[in-house]
Amino acid sequence: QQKVQQSPESLTVSEGAMASLNCTFSDRSSDNFRWYRQHSGKGLEVLVSIFSDGEKEEGSFTAHLNRASLHVFLHIREPQPSDSALYLCAVSLNYNQGKLIFGQGTKLSIKP
Amino acid sequence: EAAVTQSPRSKVAVTGGKVTLSCHQTNNHDYMYWYRQDTGHGLRLIHYSYVADSTEKGDIPDGYKASRPSQENFSLILELASLSQTAVYFCASSVTGGDTEVFFGKGTRLTVV
Repeated sequence: QQKVQQSPESLTVSEGAMASLNCTFSDRSSDNFRWYRQHSGKGLEVLVSIFSDGEKEEGSFTAHLNRASLHVFLHIREPQPSDSALYLCAVSLNYNQGKLIFGQGTKLSIKP
Repeated sequence: EAAVTQSPRSKVAVTGGKVTLSCHQTNNHDYMYWYRQDTGHGLRLIHYSYVADSTEKGDIPDGYKASRPSQENFSLILELASLSQTAVYFCASSVTGGDTEVFFGKGTRLTVV
């Protein structure tokens, strides 16, 4: 059974400083990786999807996938207070990509 | 624009009562899913379906049934609601492979009292 774990559990950074979130997974055959943002009481907003090793950038969000080390990272450039939210990593297999295994989330707070 | 619509958006149910949550998609997707989210945590898969009239168990199916009467509609049924089923429920749809997006509904907040 795939396990997905996120670290840290919570993170506070100053406005404008880089924020880095970590996600580890257990099944090396996984091939779909997504980062979602969820503001309090709201739905899921997909930030970046990555399907092969390397980096993918979407605006101020960059995902970095290294399947050999079982890690996928999310870096947020120059975060604003509006980026304060719960960040969720989700992993799946290409043949059933909506069958997602989620991490428990990282609660990010941006200090003005 | 791809769309997944959930109804109701919120509901209060009585312990032991029957609850039905509905999901409708206009994406022409084969796969539909029901997830549950407890406050401050990630989502967990309850049931999913890849074709009408067929459903599959996800990771936490106990206490839930699902129904897929058509490609567009997917329901989650709690026959005997319990306090522990208080959560936010999300429906989603996707295609098979293709590295495309998974589309989520806005969620249904269920409170069992």
